[in-house]
Amino acid sequence: KQEVTQIPAALSVPEGENLVLNCSFTDSAIYNLQWFRQDPGKGLTSLLLIQSSQREQTSGRLNASLDKSSGRSTLYIAASQPGDSATYLCAVDTGANSKLTFGKGITLSVRP
Amino acid sequence: GAGVSQTPSNKVTEKGKYVELRCDPISGHTALYWYRQSLGQGPEFLIYFQGTGAADDSGLPNDRFFAVRPEGSVSTLKIQRTERGDSAVYLCASSLRGGSTGLNEQFFGPGTRLTVL
Repeated sequence: KQEVTQIPAALSVPEGENLVLNCSFTDSAIYNLQWFRQDPGKGLTSLLLIQSSQREQTSGRLNASLDKSSGRSTLYIAASQPGDSATYLCAVDTGANSKLTFGKGITLSVRP
Repeated sequence: GAGVSQTPSNKVTEKGKYVELRCDPISGHTALYWYRQSLGQGPEFLIYFQGTGAADDSGLPNDRFFAVRPEGSVSTLKIQRTERGDSAVYLCASSLRGGSTGLNEQFFGPGTRLTVL
């Protein structure tokens, strides 16, 4: 059974810092991995999707990498801003009808 | 264009009552998913529709939960004899095609927060 882990559960950084959020998964047989952002009381916003054949994806200040063999992904946020404060979740698609298995998320707080 | 919408945004009900939660997917998306998110947890899969049929309902916790998508667009999640443990945020997602292509990006709605008193 696929398990997804995100550690730490919470992170607080000063504005302007570059930071890395980690995600690990137990079964490397994935089709893709998605990173989402969730604001309090809101739904999920898709940030990046990395297919299993890819190593990384970039969107603006965000860069996500994938190392399937070691079961790891990282989300790199450059020059963090207070508006980046949210919970970041990673999810893997193991191809079983494309249902996603999620981690518990990392709650990020960027201090002005 | 419009994203995934869900109604109601909040639902408070009493133990034992019946509730229906609605999801309007992105137009043209054939795949639709329901997930449930408890406080402090990531979403957990409930059911997946490809078109009108439930292709995978392995995440439904018990037979009190049922979902339909009669015309391949709007879906309704139905919960009978609600229990306090059903309290959670119910999220709906849709994707263009579904299936195991690796390109199946899922787009989520804002969720329905269900509270069972």
